[in-house]
Amino acid sequence: GEDVEQSLFLSVREGDSSVINCTYTDSSSTYLYWYKQEPGAGLQLLTYIFSNMDMKQDQRLTVLLNKKDKHLSLRIADTQTGDSAIYFCAESWGSARQLTFGSGTQLTVLP
Amino acid sequence: NAGVTQTPKFQVLKTGQSMTLQCAQDMNHNSMYWYRQDPGMGLRLIYYSASEGTTDKGEVPNGYNVSRLNKREFSLRLESAAPSQTSVYFCASSAHTGSNSPLHFGNGTRLTVT
Repeated sequence: GEDVEQSLFLSVREGDSSVINCTYTDSSSTYLYWYKQEPGAGLQLLTYIFSNMDMKQDQRLTVLLNKKDKHLSLRIADTQTGDSAIYFCAESWGSARQLTFGSGTQLTVLP
Repeated sequence: NAGVTQTPKFQVLKTGQSMTLQCAQDMNHNSMYWYRQDPGMGLRLIYYSASEGTTDKGEVPNGYNVSRLNKREFSLRLESAAPSQTSVYFCASSAHTGSNSPLHFGNGTRLTVT
């Protein structure tokens, strides 16, 4: 199957920017997604980017896509303690456009 | 507006027991999915149903069966539970299986098989 890779942990200070990185393998992916999971909850869609875009900005979130390197990043500006969660990158693939998720990055925001 | 509802929230089974995980969505979505989440492995697709009346295998279907009971409900059955099936199970739905149709997740069922 397809492969999506993320680093497992990231710690930042409150007020700093966080950058979570992801690499994927399917060059035919049409959309790439970022999901957020808080403790004891399901995944919540944060944002997504269409493959013909290089960047998408949504309030404090900026998504950058480098199709040549198959690299996706999520930048959270002015990170707050409420941003502490696990962040999953996902790519779509296959005829039914199933999603393949990365292993998730645990973001810890320190006071 | 409940979204995607899963029951039960927690379950403990002995090896060999069977059980069914229930999932219902109230968003009139066509497509529904079952994922399992294991530490360090992200979410892996077990089965999905692109539309009412159809089901297809995902990445890790062995040991599971599914039923798309109607448009709202998609159940996951473990006929003979094994310790390797200890996991957190998430149901999700989307308007359709297209890439621009995001998934909406339930809050998960934490299953332990002893």
